[in-house]
Amino acid sequence: GDSVTQMEGPVTLSEEAFLTINCTYTATGYPSLFWYVQYPGEGLQLLLKATKADDKGSNKGFEATYRKETTSFHLEKGSVQVSDSAVYFCALSDSAGGFKTIFGAGTRLFVKA
Amino acid sequence: NAGVTQTPKFQVLKTGQSMTLQCAQDMNHEYMSWYRQDPGMGLRLIHYSVGAGITDQGEVPNGYNVSRSTTEDFPLRLLSAAPSQTSVYFCASSPQGAAGYTFGSGTRLTVV
Repeated sequence: GDSVTQMEGPVTLSEEAFLTINCTYTATGYPSLFWYVQYPGEGLQLLLKATKADDKGSNKGFEATYRKETTSFHLEKGSVQVSDSAVYFCALSDSAGGFKTIFGAGTRLFVKA
Repeated sequence: NAGVTQTPKFQVLKTGQSMTLQCAQDMNHEYMSWYRQDPGMGLRLIHYSVGAGITDQGEVPNGYNVSRSTTEDFPLRLLSAAPSQTSVYFCASSPQGAAGYTFGSGTRLTVV
């Protein structure tokens, strides 16, 4: 079945550092890929998405590129802020799986001032 | 717009009790899903629906029932609560499969 694997956290960075959170996937068809963010005590919010190979999703300084050849969708940000501290989830939605959306385990990010 | 509304926000049940978690959305979204979130396990799909009258099982459906009689509402029923169902439950909706979900704020359920 479909699955999403994320790098384990927590990830701890200093403010203005470069962020990468790795995400790889397994899917039967041609999935759409997503990154969600969850702040403490809240539900998840869609951060960015990409629907086909080589698409780049971007939002609030975060970027991720859909790499079909490596089945990856790594999240990057050039300069993190304390306010970026949250849990980040990679997810996929596959038409071959009836568009069920499957999530990775999440990666917690701490940013120190 | 209210978005996705979940009630209640907190609930404590005794083992063996039943209850319904409510979920309503006002965005006319066809797709709706229920997830549970447990520490270190991310979100696991319980049940989902691609439209009124259509539901299907996700990864962890045992012990839960759903129905979708209207586009707006997607209640989740716990048939006989067990301590293993202690979790945070999220409802989410989407206009279509590749659009991404809008999440509710969650229901924290404790089964004692």
